[in-house]
Amino acid sequence: QKEVEQNSGPLSVPEGAIASLNCTYSDRGSQSFFWYRQYSGKSPELIMFIYSNGDKEDGRFTAQLNKASQYVSLLIRDSQPSDSATYLCAVPTGNQFYFGTGTSLTVIP
Amino acid sequence: DAGVTQSPTHLIKTRGQQVTLRCSPKSGHDTVSWYQQALGQGPQFIFQYYEEEERQRGNFPDRFSGHQFPNYSSELNVNALLLGDSALYLCASSPVGFRETQYFGPGTRLLVL
Repeated sequence: QKEVEQNSGPLSVPEGAIASLNCTYSDRGSQSFFWYRQYSGKSPELIMFIYSNGDKEDGRFTAQLNKASQYVSLLIRDSQPSDSATYLCAVPTGNQFYFGTGTSLTVIP
Repeated sequence: DAGVTQSPTHLIKTRGQQVTLRCSPKSGHDTVSWYQQALGQGPQFIFQYYEEEERQRGNFPDRFSGHQFPNYSSELNVNALLLGDSALYLCASSPVGFRETQYFGPGTRLLVL
């Protein structure tokens, strides 16, 4: 079992819709969870992070964490074509970060 | 304020050669981590440097080594290059006291022929 798993997609949503990206992790002791966005040919860009159970909102982005289910998700409201990218979930264990393989999102105008 | 910088941007080597990649962290950052990202995959952790010491190492062979300098900049060295070492090499730096929050540089794309 991989430390961090994501549905690789691709996920397509129409412009203005809500995109939902999911991630599961294996280490029950994990305390923090990170979402990165990576445009094709570019490096990952930190979007947001979450430490506590529940929701954390930042603009059009909402991270949701359920530690009991070992599940973290990212919601993107009012999706824009510029949101088309690969979204990476990352979970640190000690000083080591584990990344998922990423979910490719396409927002259709 | 410059972000994380890496050099070179692209590199072509042949099997068996050695390569050195360089990274300068963002101002105010003291921790540097290195990742290898193959096409279509997520970044794979190579190692992390803090206070000029390797603090954590991922599942990479000893051919991969690194160094951190007093100004927090870092180098990644790969010896005896294999075709499978072709990838995007990413450096990420973290601010003082927030080691889990990582900001990536633009990466070095290495092609081994």
